[in-house]
Amino acid sequence: DTEVTQTPKHLVMGMTNKKSLKCEQHMGHRAMYWYKQKAKKPPELMFVYSYEKLSINESVPSRFSPECPNSSLLNLHLHALQPEDSALYLCASSRVGAYEQYFGPGTRLTVT
Amino acid sequence: GQQLNQSPQSMFIQEGEDVSMNCTSSSIFNTWLWYKQDPGEGPVLLIALYKAGELTSNGRLTAQFGITRKDSFLNISASIPSDVGIYFCAGLGRTSYDKVIFGPGTSLSVIP
Repeated sequence: DTEVTQTPKHLVMGMTNKKSLKCEQHMGHRAMYWYKQKAKKPPELMFVYSYEKLSINESVPSRFSPECPNSSLLNLHLHALQPEDSALYLCASSRVGAYEQYFGPGTRLTVT
Repeated sequence: GQQLNQSPQSMFIQEGEDVSMNCTSSSIFNTWLWYKQDPGEGPVLLIALYKAGELTSNGRLTAQFGITRKDSFLNISASIPSDVGIYFCAGLGRTSYDKVIFGPGTSLSVIP
């Protein structure tokens, strides 16, 4: 199984809502990533987890809160977002120390 | 910080033609990756390069790790309509174990 799954595929939320994005992989990877991607731009790294611990936070605003409850799951909790946070949110996974990251299909988030 | 440049920014080619695109940096990278992203999907890893001068193929795709370690090239032979998408190069340097830096992408359109 070489698949990274993400739910939901699409999400529309108001600026006062709280929602969560979910990511799952069963490849035994112990590194997982959240990226944000705006239209026609490359993915921008947000967070990296290694062995279920946060290892990199790219100065992401606190309205984005990541969580890695176990080695297969990665969540991104969203609260009080702004319209400019609308984007495609991508999850990826890899073996720790490996360069090849495998991406999920993304969640298209719209903040109204 | 480290930045990657890709050229061309976009290209329109006839089906059956060969395609060349490149990725350059002012910094040295130890690993080069090439990803393809279809609309509404996550990036898919095409080729990974680990040594300066390395030439690697994956079907109709061939990529090379530049000898200066500051560039990489991707060639697609005999293009077909499903080659349409955005091609991102990505590099890993020495500064961070887990951080991949993406180029801005080359958008490829194939005219049947």
